[in-house]
Amino acid sequence: DVKVTQSSRYLVKRTGEKVFLECVQDMDHENMFWYRQDPGLGLRLIYFSYDVKMKEKGDIPEGYSVSREKKERFSLILESASTNQTSMYLCASSFSWRLNETQYFGPGTRLLVL
Amino acid sequence: GQNIDQPTEMTATEGAIVQINCTYQTSGFNGLFWYQQHAGEAPTFLSYNVLDGLEEKGRFSSFLSRSKGYSYLLLKELQMKDSASYLCAVWGYNKLIFGAGTRLAVHP
Repeated sequence: DVKVTQSSRYLVKRTGEKVFLECVQDMDHENMFWYRQDPGLGLRLIYFSYDVKMKEKGDIPEGYSVSREKKERFSLILESASTNQTSMYLCASSFSWRLNETQYFGPGTRLLVL
Repeated sequence: GQNIDQPTEMTATEGAIVQINCTYQTSGFNGLFWYQQHAGEAPTFLSYNVLDGLEEKGRFSSFLSRSKGYSYLLLKELQMKDSASYLCAVWGYNKLIFGAGTRLAVHP
């Protein structure tokens, strides 16, 4: 079974703090993704990576950065957290860039920025 | 623009059949996914359609009409555990685009 894990299920941070969200997958997948999920808006793509040290902006990259130093690990960084970044953050991975590849999701991190 | 529409909420009775519709307008089309997401949990893959027609997998079926930009997810013999959100997602030109999801409540 594919397993995607995220470092925290719940996080509470203060405005201006630097926040790290970690994601690890154990199936040697090439591609990894970060989404945020908000009521009524669905999942929106923040950043994705198709290889180590490679990254691409998604639909809403502003205020975020990412790091992929190892194939299995993809980190999302909020340089200076703001209240509008309160959300559920979901990490996903897929095996390759074949367009019908299923994405496998982690359990999510619910972030509250005060 | 890119848009995926699905109803916000639906209710159904245990043992019944329910159809969740999804319409889409995207730049490019390379397949449509349905995911199930229980409250507080990760989305899990249900089905994938790239050609027109019906794909059946146990109690769940998914239909696609590319010319109409339309899909539906059919759930038969509903069980209480089917209460969840159902996400429609389209592989557009270079990424997966999600609808806002349909929250299904199954009651006895």
